[in-house]
Amino acid sequence: QQQVKQSPQSLIVQKGGISIINCAYENTAFDYFPWYQQFPGKGPALLIAIRPDVSEKKEGRFTISFNKSAKQFSLHIMDSQPGDSATYFCAANQSNTGNQFYFGTGTSLTVIP
Amino acid sequence: DSGVTQTPKHLITATGQRVTLRCSPRSGDLSVYWYQQSLDQGLQFLIQYYNGEERAKGNILERFSAQQFPDLHSELNLSSLELGDSALYFCASSVDGVGYGYTFGSGTRLTVV
Repeated sequence: QQQVKQSPQSLIVQKGGISIINCAYENTAFDYFPWYQQFPGKGPALLIAIRPDVSEKKEGRFTISFNKSAKQFSLHIMDSQPGDSATYFCAANQSNTGNQFYFGTGTSLTVIP
Repeated sequence: DSGVTQTPKHLITATGQRVTLRCSPRSGDLSVYWYQQSLDQGLQFLIQYYNGEERAKGNILERFSAQQFPDLHSELNLSSLELGDSALYFCASSVDGVGYGYTFGSGTRLTVV
């Protein structure tokens, strides 16, 4: 059973456009929601993370929007650049009982120049 | 360079064989996590060690085992290998046992033929 569902599977965006990746979760005990960026041949790298006590977190061109009631969160990449082309994974974790992160299945983002 | 070192980078072996994957965590990190990444399953948590002790266990097969040594490096042993075990195996580390701010290594690509 997939604890975290991610969409779309792939995304093509023009340079300068906005990339939006969505994730949904079922377990209301999850309290930490990171996004990871993975380039080919590399391991996932932490990009940005949010806790459910805030609805939005912004770091540079990357923003997480969090909707606790809908159990959804999304990553917005503003002014997308070709260098952003990578696979993005959302994840969730219940920090007080376990250290296991549940990952989404990933979104392959291609930014066209 | 993330600071988490995984060896070897690539491994090709035959069905029924046994292999050992090695992970050296980032300096100062006490916790090591192993993940399997396959095309159809995404990133799946296998097992976590904290300062030499097993802390959490995911969907790790009985044919797989791991340990963390006094110098904090970890090894993942995969035995009686099957074609379906072909995947990328990632190690991640964190300073504490909670898991915030995982740092992933670059992975070991295992191909079973």
